[in-house]
Amino acid sequence: DAGITQSPRHKVTETGTPVTLRCHQTENHRYMYWYRQDPGHGLRLIHYSYGVKDTDKGEVSDGYSVSRSKTEDFLLTLESATSSQTSVYFCAIRTGGTDNEQFFGPGTRLTVL
Amino acid sequence: GESVGLHLPTLSVQEGDNSIINCAYSNSASDYFIWYKQESGKGPQFIIDIRSNMDKRQGQRVTVLLNKTVKHLSLQIAATQPGDSAVYFCAENPGGSNYKLTFGKGTLLTVNP
Repeated sequence: DAGITQSPRHKVTETGTPVTLRCHQTENHRYMYWYRQDPGHGLRLIHYSYGVKDTDKGEVSDGYSVSRSKTEDFLLTLESATSSQTSVYFCAIRTGGTDNEQFFGPGTRLTVL
Repeated sequence: GESVGLHLPTLSVQEGDNSIINCAYSNSASDYFIWYKQESGKGPQFIIDIRSNMDKRQGQRVTVLLNKTVKHLSLQIAATQPGDSAVYFCAENPGGSNYKLTFGKGTLLTVNP
C-alpha cells in the first residue's frame, strides 16, 4: 500500500455540512493526488500537490479545497457538501524516479444525504 | 464494496485460460502507461507499466502491449485465476511537469472456476 492511509474510511453526512478527508503517507513523497471515483466515470482528479503548500486544481475541483501544511498529510475539504459529492475518494502518491507510477490509498466512501 | 463496476465492459473467462483486456487511449503525446487492478472495496493496485519507446513489456503472468499507431494498449493475463477477478483499467501520462494521469473507465474481469 506504499504507506498510504486515508481517514475516515466511511462517512455519512448531511447536505451543507463541511467535511474534511485526510490522506497520510509515511514515505516523504513530494507528489500527492486526490481523486473521486464514480460509476461510469472512472477516476477523476480533484486536486494535487507538488510540495508543502504547493497545490493545483484538477479536472473536477469545483466545491473542493485542499491543504498541505506538511509533507505527510494532504487534506481534502468539502466546504458545504452536496449530494453530487457522494463518491469514493482516493488519495495517491507518486513515488518518484523516472516513471510516473502512482500508488493509491484504500479509499474513503462518502455519502451526502 | 463500492459499486464502481456498474456499466463497465465485462470479460468472463474460465480459470486457466488467458485473458486479454483492451484499452484505447486518447492522447498521441502520452509517453507512459500503467495498468491497474481494482478489487471490490479496495484502492487501485499497480500491475505493470510501459513507456512509449517500448511495444511490449512482461511481468509475472502479465504482458502489456502498446500499439502507438492506433493508440491501443492491451493487458494479457496468463493462466487466469479466480483471484484475478477485478476491474482493470489503464492510465496514460499525457506529459507535463506535474505527472498527472488520465484514467480509462475500466473492464470488469470475472474468472469462473
